Amino acid sequence: QKEVEQDPGPLSVPEGAIVSLNCTYSNSAFQYFMWYRQYSRKGPELLMYTYSSGNKEDGRFTAQVDKSSKYISLFIRDSQPSDSATYLCAMSLRNSWGKLQFGAGTQVVVTP
Amino acid sequence: KAGVTQTPRYLIKTRGQQVTLSCSPISGHRSVSWYQQTPGQGLQFLFEYFSETQRNKGNFPGRFSGRQFSNSRSEMNVSTLELGDSALYLCASSSIAGVGTGELFFGEGSRLTVL
Repeated sequence: QKEVEQDPGPLSVPEGAIVSLNCTYSNSAFQYFMWYRQYSRKGPELLMYTYSSGNKEDGRFTAQVDKSSKYISLFIRDSQPSDSATYLCAMSLRNSWGKLQFGAGTQVVVTP
Repeated sequence: KAGVTQTPRYLIKTRGQQVTLSCSPISGHRSVSWYQQTPGQGLQFLFEYFSETQRNKGNFPGRFSGRQFSNSRSEMNVSTLELGDSALYLCASSSIAGVGTGELFFGEGSRLTVL
C-alpha cells in the first residue's frame, strides 16, 4: 500500500464546473501538504501549500487538510479548459528538506 | 527571474551506458532535489543537496548518484543504464525559506530513453 493514495482519473468536467480532487495518506507524521499542477511535457508547478488542518483559498483554488482523517482536497471553482492538466498531491515530514511523497496524480480534462 | 534549467531536455542511451544530467537552480536557491517520474511509479525522490552536501537520499540503487557545486548547480549521474531507467528526471530548487517545507520549483525535466 502506498503512503499517499490518489485516484489517477481521468476526471472530465464541463467548463464552469467545480473540480474536486483528493488524496488520502497513511503516515500521520506528514506536516506539509501541497498541490502541484503538471501540464503535458512540463515540470510540476506549485499551486497550493498548507501546513495545518483547515482551508486555504487562493483565487479559484481552495485546499483543505483534515489531519484527523488523513485526507486532503483541492477544489477548483469555475473551471476553464486551461485547467486541463494532471494534479499531484504531495506531502512531507517536518525537516524532510526537499523529500516529498507524491500521489499518482489525477488527470483532469475540462471540456468547453 | 529565470526558472530552473535542466539540460539536456531529451537524450537516448543504450543499456550499459552512463548518463549525466545537469540542473541550474533559480538564482539564490541553494537547495536542489532530484526526482524520477515514470508512468508506473509516478514521482519518486532521488536525492537532495544543500550547500554541496547531500541532505537526503531516496531508495534508489547506488548506480544513481549526484553532486552539487559551489554555485548551487547540480548534476546527477546514472551508471550502467537499464531499460527501467527510462524516465523523466526532474530537478527542483528551493530557497532557504522553503527548505524543509516542500515549496519546490521544478524544471521541465530531462527525458531519458534507454534502448
